[in-house]
Amino acid sequence: QQQVKQSPQSLIVQKGGISIINCAYENTAFDYFPWYQQFPGKGPALLIAIRPDVSEKKEGRFTISFNKSAKQFSLHIMDSQPGDSATYFCAAGSGGQAGTALIFGKGTTLSVSS
Amino acid sequence: DTAVSQTPKYLVTQMGNDKSIKCEQNLGHDTMYWYKQDSKKFLKIMFSYNNKELIINETVPNRFSPKSPDKAHLNLHINSLELGDSAVYFCASSQEWGANQPQHFGDGTRLSIL
Repeated sequence: QQQVKQSPQSLIVQKGGISIINCAYENTAFDYFPWYQQFPGKGPALLIAIRPDVSEKKEGRFTISFNKSAKQFSLHIMDSQPGDSATYFCAAGSGGQAGTALIFGKGTTLSVSS
Repeated sequence: DTAVSQTPKYLVTQMGNDKSIKCEQNLGHDTMYWYKQDSKKFLKIMFSYNNKELIINETVPNRFSPKSPDKAHLNLHINSLELGDSAVYFCASSQEWGANQPQHFGDGTRLSIL
């Protein structure tokens, strides 16, 4: 119930292409789904997040698509750039004082080739 | 100014030793966390403190003991270090408790056990 499954484990995309990373969760009580980006030697940093009351959220070249019935969400990176090369983590949890800790997926290492 | 700072950045020590990692945040946040990231980049929460009170204590050996002297600091002491403790340890903070709170991570402490 507490797992967040992320795929693929690694991804190679050409510059200008679309990168797609998928995640699935089990706990229907989860109501917050962020994506974190981590560069080598650095800590993860929040990239974009979505709540289950919307099916899509876009910020610049980054879009989260959310399918509540399937309990799946995905990150799309449009016009991928070499600077996007990093490890991406999806996560899920529930907010509020009675909320849970974030459960992270196992990460996807993205390499964008120039 | 670094928002979440950890010291030391690297820690190399022998099995059986006791070591501490310090964390400080200058964001005025109420909640702080310790995460462990293993060699496969899997990120798992260890502890969380909210207003200096321990609220999450995952299945972590009792050789690991967190201490929060005030809201801005969360230290991690590890007794009798083992080979399996080798990992990167991240400190993070958020404004309040709850999965819907953006977390700000430090740059990690890479612990290597010889």
